[in-house]
Amino acid sequence: QVQLVQSGAEVKKPGSSVKVSCKASGGTFDSYAIAWVRQAPGQRLEWMGGIIPLFQTTNYAQNFQDRVTITTDEFMSTVYMELTSLRSEDTAVYYCARHMTTVTTTWFDPWGQGTLVTVSS
Amino acid sequence: DILMTQSPSSLSASVGDRVTITCRASQTISSYLNWYQQKPGKAPKLLIYAASSLQSGVPSTFSGSGSGTDFTLTISSLQPEDFATYYCQQSSSSPYTFGQGTKLEIK
Repeated sequence: QVQLVQSGAEVKKPGSSVKVSCKASGGTFDSYAIAWVRQAPGQRLEWMGGIIPLFQTTNYAQNFQDRVTITTDEFMSTVYMELTSLRSEDTAVYYCARHMTTVTTTWFDPWGQGTLVTVSS
Repeated sequence: DILMTQSPSSLSASVGDRVTITCRASQTISSYLNWYQQKPGKAPKLLIYAASSLQSGVPSTFSGSGSGTDFTLTISSLQPEDFATYYCQQSSSSPYTFGQGTKLEIK
């Protein structure tokens, strides 16, 4: 059973960038897609985008299109999410999750433990 | 974007109670509906996928139903560990959107 392990908490200044990692514990991501979902304080979960490491294909939510980049390392064992031009509203817990897809449906499972990103001057 | 609306936003219940949470999509999503449970400080956990399929390892006290725009999550007999926040999520089309959550509290 794959487990996803994320990097630690970050504190950033407004206008800067943050890069959060998500590592597959015990293996690689194979052909699975990895999604990034964030949760700001008191807000609903928000899908940001995802990547299929095997094919290096990405899909981003329009809300983040200009500011987010999702990449993977050459070994397809770690996925990265970089968010630029940070503002206070980007303070949130960022989760990676495996985006499972079958012929009939799709879901997020399992999830990483989450990474708190705090944007503050 | 598809708007997902849950009701109620919060709910108080007792151990052993049967509870139902409703999720409505702003447009039809067939059965592309998932349910997650989240406890404070923890990541969401998948409970139900494809509207009614129980994820492996999830107790059979959880069940889901619905299709189109209206869906329900039912817990047939509340256990102490079930007090948490529950989210629905549509996987019909990108961007994949979530409901605002239903916080289930102990009465």
